[in-house]
Amino acid sequence: KQEVTQIPAALSVPEGENLVLNCSFTDSAIYNLQWFRQDPGKGLTSLLLIQSSQREQTSGRLNASLDKSSGRSTLYIAASQPGDSATYLCAVSSGANNLFFGTGTRLTVIP
Amino acid sequence: DVKVTQSSRYLVKRTGEKVFLECVQDMDHENMFWYRQDPGLGLRLIYFSYDVKMKEKGDIPEGYSVSREKKERFSLILESASTNQTSMYLCASSFGGVFDTQYFGPGTRLTVL
Repeated sequence: KQEVTQIPAALSVPEGENLVLNCSFTDSAIYNLQWFRQDPGKGLTSLLLIQSSQREQTSGRLNASLDKSSGRSTLYIAASQPGDSATYLCAVSSGANNLFFGTGTRLTVIP
Repeated sequence: DVKVTQSSRYLVKRTGEKVFLECVQDMDHENMFWYRQDPGLGLRLIYFSYDVKMKEKGDIPEGYSVSREKKERFSLILESASTNQTSMYLCASSFGGVFDTQYFGPGTRLTVL
């Protein structure tokens, strides 16, 4: 069964810093990988979706990379802002109709 | 913009009650999903539906059932609520199943006393 790990569980950075969030998965046979953002007590918002044939996706200050063979993905956030404070979740699709989620990294950007 | 709505943000029920959680999406998506989210366990799939009246079990279907009578509406039913079903419940929809972005509702925090 696919297992998704996100390290660290929590991260605090000063405003303006660039940062990287990590996601690893055990089974490299994936269809795609998605990064989501979740604000406290709220639902998830999709940030980026990378298909298995792609190496990276970009949206504004966010850049996600995928290395399928090593079972890793990173989410790079440039010039962090206090509004970026949230929990970031990655999820991989390994077939059927199931997404496997990591437990997330809680990011705090300090003004 | 896709909108996924859930009938309640917070719900408190007693052990043994029958509980209905409703989810509605407005984008004519084929696929709808119910997850529960617990600290340290992440999101786990309970059930999904790929068409009206069609359903498939996810990872943790025990104690739950679902209903999809109309394309836009997907209901999660707790036949006899138990305290271990206290959780955050999240509904999602997508056009292309797991090949496509999933859009999530705001969640329902259910407490079973």
